[in-house]
Amino acid sequence: DQQVKQNSPSLSVQEGRISILNCDYTNSMFDYFLWYKKYPAEGPTFLISISSIKDKNEDGRFTVFLNKSAKHLSLHIVPSQPGDSAVYFCAATNTGKLIFGQGTTLQVKP
Amino acid sequence: EPEVTQTPSHQVTQMGQEVILRCVPISNHLYFYWYRQILGQKVEFLVSFYNNEISEKSEIFDDQFSVERPDGSNFTLKIRSTKLEDSAMYFCASRKEQGVKKSEQYFGPGTRLTVT
Repeated sequence: DQQVKQNSPSLSVQEGRISILNCDYTNSMFDYFLWYKKYPAEGPTFLISISSIKDKNEDGRFTVFLNKSAKHLSLHIVPSQPGDSAVYFCAATNTGKLIFGQGTTLQVKP
Repeated sequence: EPEVTQTPSHQVTQMGQEVILRCVPISNHLYFYWYRQILGQKVEFLVSFYNNEISEKSEIFDDQFSVERPDGSNFTLKIRSTKLEDSAMYFCASRKEQGVKKSEQYFGPGTRLTVT
C-alpha cells in the first residue's frame, strides 16, 4: 500500500534554518492531511493539518502546503530548533482512517 | 491537557496466547482507532470504532482480533491467539468529531507487544 509516500528517509539541517519535509499521495479521494512528529518509544504527536479545500495552513513555526494538482504536500519548519529532531510522518484520510507515509527522520544540528 | 493512555507499556506473551491491550481515549472523543507499527515499517490502520460498533477495519484485522468498549472510558483490543508476526507497537487513537470537519487523531504512547 503506497498511497502515501515520503521519499526522503532523512534530512539534516542547521539550527535556525528552514526544514522542508515532503510527502506525495496517489489517492485523489483524500480530503484531509496531517503531519505527526514521533520520538522513539512514544506515540505520534499531532502537529498540523490541512483540508483539501485549502492550500496553506500555518501554526507558529509550522506551515503545511498542499498542491492538489501535484498530489503533494510539504511541511515547513522555520526556524528549525534542535528539539525538532524526530521522525515526521505525513498522513492522509477521506474516511477517518489514517494512511501514513514511511516517515522522514529530521536532525537539526546546533 | 487531556491525553490518550495505554496499558501495559510492554506485553510479552507466548505464541497462541490471548492478549488484551487497553486504552483510555480522551473523554469527549467519539471515534476510536487502533493502529500498529511493526519494527521498521509504516504505522498501519487496524480498526475504527464509533457508536459502539466497528466502522471500518483493515485486512489485517481478521477473526483473531476484536475490539470492545466495555464501559464509558476503556477501549480494548483483543488478540485471541497470538502469532509471532503480531509482534509490534500497538497505538490507540481517538478523535473528536467536529461536524463535517475532519479532525485530528490523538495517539497514546503505545503498547509494545512481543510474541515469543
